[in-house]
Amino acid sequence: SQQGEEDPQALSIQEGENATMNCSYKTSINNLQWYRQNSGRGLVHLILIRSNEREKHSGRLRVTLDTSKKSSSLLITASRAADTASYFCATRWEYGNKLVFGAGTILRVKS
Amino acid sequence: SAVISQKPSRDICQRGTSLTIQCQVDSQVTMMFWYRQQPGQSLTLIATANQGSEATYESGFVIDKFPISRPNLTFSTLTVSNMSPEDSSIYLCSVSAGAGVTGELFFGEGSRLTVL
Repeated sequence: SQQGEEDPQALSIQEGENATMNCSYKTSINNLQWYRQNSGRGLVHLILIRSNEREKHSGRLRVTLDTSKKSSSLLITASRAADTASYFCATRWEYGNKLVFGAGTILRVKS
Repeated sequence: SAVISQKPSRDICQRGTSLTIQCQVDSQVTMMFWYRQQPGQSLTLIATANQGSEATYESGFVIDKFPISRPNLTFSTLTVSNMSPEDSSIYLCSVSAGAGVTGELFFGEGSRLTVL
C-alpha cells in the first residue's frame, strides 16, 4: 500500500503557538497535498506541492517536501482555536490519477 | 472550484438492507471518486466513476457490494449493499479540480452511515 504515515497522531497546543505535522510516503509521486477535516465532515484542500518543489507557502501555512526522504511537513504558524481539526496528507502517484491519503494528525488548539 | 452536494448527510440503517448515496456536482466533471472513512481512520478510495463506462474499483472493493452509477457528467450514486455494522462509515464523494487529474480534490460533506 502506498498509504503514508503521519506523525504525530495527535497534537495539542496553545493558541498562538506553531504546529508541525509530518508525512511520509512510499512511492514516486507527482504531487503531495494537505487537507483539513473538521469534525468528520468533508475535506478541504489546503495546499499542493509538486514533486519538483521543495517549499511552498500559503498564508499561515508552510509546506516542505523532501523527495529523497519521501517526506513532507506542514507548519501552521500562530495557530488559532479555529485550526482545531484533522489534517491529512495525500499523495498523487506519479503515473496515475489516484490520490492516497495518510493516516492523519488530530490537532487541538486550546484558547 | 466545484460545489458538491451529497444526500443523505446521515442515516441509521438496519443490517442486511441497502442504501444509495447521491452526489450532485454543480459543474461537469470527467471523473468522480468515492471514498470511505471508517471511524477514526483515514480515507480509502472505493472506486473511480467515469461517465459512460463501468466504475474502476480498488483492491478490496467489489461491484456487488458497492454498485456505482454515473448517468451523466454531474451526478453519481454509490449503493452500499447488504449492510453490516462494519459498513458504518462516512462515505465521501469527490471530484478533481479543473480538467486534469493531477490537481486538488473537492469533497462533498459526506454521508455518515450507522448500521445497527
